[in-house]
Amino acid sequence: AQSVTQLDSHVSVSEGTPVLLRCNYSSSYSPSLFWYVQHPNKGLQLLLKYTSAATLVKGINGFEAEFKKSETSFHLTKPSAHMSDAAEYFCVVSPPRGSSNTGKLIFGQGTTLQVKP
Amino acid sequence: DTGVSQNPRHKITKRGQNVTFRCDPISEHNRLYWYRQTLGQGPEFLTYFQNEAQLEKSRLLSDRFSAERPKGSFSTLEIQRTEQGDSAMYLCANLGTSGLYEQYFGPGTRLTVT
Repeated sequence: AQSVTQLDSHVSVSEGTPVLLRCNYSSSYSPSLFWYVQHPNKGLQLLLKYTSAATLVKGINGFEAEFKKSETSFHLTKPSAHMSDAAEYFCVVSPPRGSSNTGKLIFGQGTTLQVKP
Repeated sequence: DTGVSQNPRHKITKRGQNVTFRCDPISEHNRLYWYRQTLGQGPEFLTYFQNEAQLEKSRLLSDRFSAERPKGSFSTLEIQRTEQGDSAMYLCANLGTSGLYEQYFGPGTRLTVT
């Protein structure tokens, strides 16, 4: 079975400082991994997706994530936080195409990012 | 904007009433997914369609819930005899085309059962 664990329910940083949101996954296969962001009263937006072409994945708005198979981790980072980054972030797993799964996404519990001025 | 629209955006109903939500996906994508998100939680899978066929239903989808996708275009999700526990955000999503199962979500319908 597939699952994800987001290790922090809340993260608070100051504007201009680095962001680290932690995610560990569990999967029998080499999974597809994603990060989504949800701003208050807005829909879920895809931040980035792991493609297996490279372990360091670049996403939108300056976010990156590094896939570490040995640690079963897919942590999200950003060098310098901006006030507009304050939102809920979800680490998500899905089995790769070709398996018997339906493609449904399995979401972590979410991490609330607070950015202080 | 993902191109996926959902209506209504908000619905307030009294316990015991029936409600129906609609999702209009990106027309050329054949897979459509429904999720439910309760306060403070990540979305949970409810069901999905491949064209007009409903191929999987979660155990979360009790017999009060029914979903359809006539002609493989828009989809509806109906909840009969609503309960307060049904209060949640209901999300619809289209499958992306990269082969990685990324999905693009609509804005959701927030249901409040009083």
